[in-house]
Amino acid sequence: DIQMTQSPSSLFASVGDRVTISCRASQYITRYLNWYQQRPGEAPNLLIYSISILQSGVPSRFNGTGSGTDFTLTINGLQREDFATYYCQESYSGSWTFGQGTRVEVK
Amino acid sequence: EVELVESGGGLVQPGGSLRLSCEASGFIFDDVAMHWVRQLPGKRLEWVSGVSWNNHIMRYADSVKGRFTVSRDNAKNSLYLQMNSLRPDDTAVYFCTKSRQLGLSWFDAWGHGTLVSVSS
Repeated sequence: DIQMTQSPSSLFASVGDRVTISCRASQYITRYLNWYQQRPGEAPNLLIYSISILQSGVPSRFNGTGSGTDFTLTINGLQREDFATYYCQESYSGSWTFGQGTRVEVK
Repeated sequence: EVELVESGGGLVQPGGSLRLSCEASGFIFDDVAMHWVRQLPGKRLEWVSGVSWNNHIMRYADSVKGRFTVSRDNAKNSLYLQMNSLRPDDTAVYFCTKSRQLGLSWFDAWGHGTLVSVSS
């Protein structure tokens, strides 16, 4: 099974900061890497699919990069509504494995 | 507007059964694959099961294989999850989600979730 490892598990940031979250797959997953945002009390919401393609309606301050096994989600100019937990997910293996999540908290 | 509404969760004893339902609207239901994803008490997300648009292909996580059965009724725009032999580690919020196809895709809409608690 593919394992997805995110780092850090949590981070503290301020409005306006640039935030970077990493995700590493235990094996090659080509382009099948997705990112989700989950606000407290809500369901997860698709942000980015296929490494770097923004889902409709997602602000351009969100940016996904990477290839093969190493991927990054960057938030440029953190906004108040971005304080949430972020999950990466592989959709290559058929097991749709998620990372453990990265919680972005107010500094 | 795309909407997915789950129901059927609740408290059940170990070894018991539950049937979850998900009612879909706002999109062409029989054009997409459908899935169940659960969020465990520690907030970890785990894909549980998926079914192709035509009900011909079902896939399951190893942790639920042989105990859970996924199905859909395209005439009713509904997805189901029959859960048997429930265990305490099945306790989670269960989300209904959709993807363009059963594999190599992403979950582009989610329901609000329904809580399943397995405890004596």
